[in-house]
Amino acid sequence: AQTVTQSQPEMSVQEAETVTLSCTYDTSESDYYLFWYKQPPSRQMILVIRQEAYKQQNATENRFSVNFQKAAKSFSLKISDSQLGDAAMYFCAYRSADNFNKFYFGSGTKLNVKP
Amino acid sequence: DSGVTQTPKHLITATGQRVTLRCSPRSGDLSVYWYQQSLDQGLQFLIQYYNGEERAKGNILERFSAQQFPDLHSELNLSSLELGDSALYFCASSVTGAGDGYTFGSGTRLTVV
Repeated sequence: AQTVTQSQPEMSVQEAETVTLSCTYDTSESDYYLFWYKQPPSRQMILVIRQEAYKQQNATENRFSVNFQKAAKSFSLKISDSQLGDAAMYFCAYRSADNFNKFYFGSGTKLNVKP
Repeated sequence: DSGVTQTPKHLITATGQRVTLRCSPRSGDLSVYWYQQSLDQGLQFLIQYYNGEERAKGNILERFSAQQFPDLHSELNLSSLELGDSALYFCASSVTGAGDGYTFGSGTRLTVV
């Protein structure tokens, strides 16, 4: 079964600095999708970024980028120029390309941004 | 607005009662998923429907049931409620077969007193 592990329950970063959130996953599949979701205090789940496993190039969305290491089954999220609004829970998620009816979520990392 | 509509936003009820949570998926999405998120916890997958049929079941209690109607909206029924059922219940939808992520609703906050 696929599992998603976020080993950092909580992290802090100074405003304007860069922070990296870690995520590892376990799978025997070769094709899949990976996602980072943000859950601010409003509790709304917001898709931040996604990565397709068959693409070598790391995804980037403005200040958010990923470091996707397929062989190591690692999918970290880098937030550059951190802003106060980035404070939230961040969830890493895995979705199979064959059995795309289920998502597997990590346990989340709480990110604090210090002014 | 994500396009996924959940009602009600908040619900307070007593132990032993039964409630129904409603979800309207984003236009064009055939799959609906229900998740439970207890305080400071991750997301627990409950159940998934695709075009009216149950497709996958997670850690859903026997006291809970769900269905998806012909118009694709879904309802999650929670019965014999216990204090521990207090949580945020999310509905999400997706276009099955696409590589996009879920689109989440804003959730229903259930408080059992």
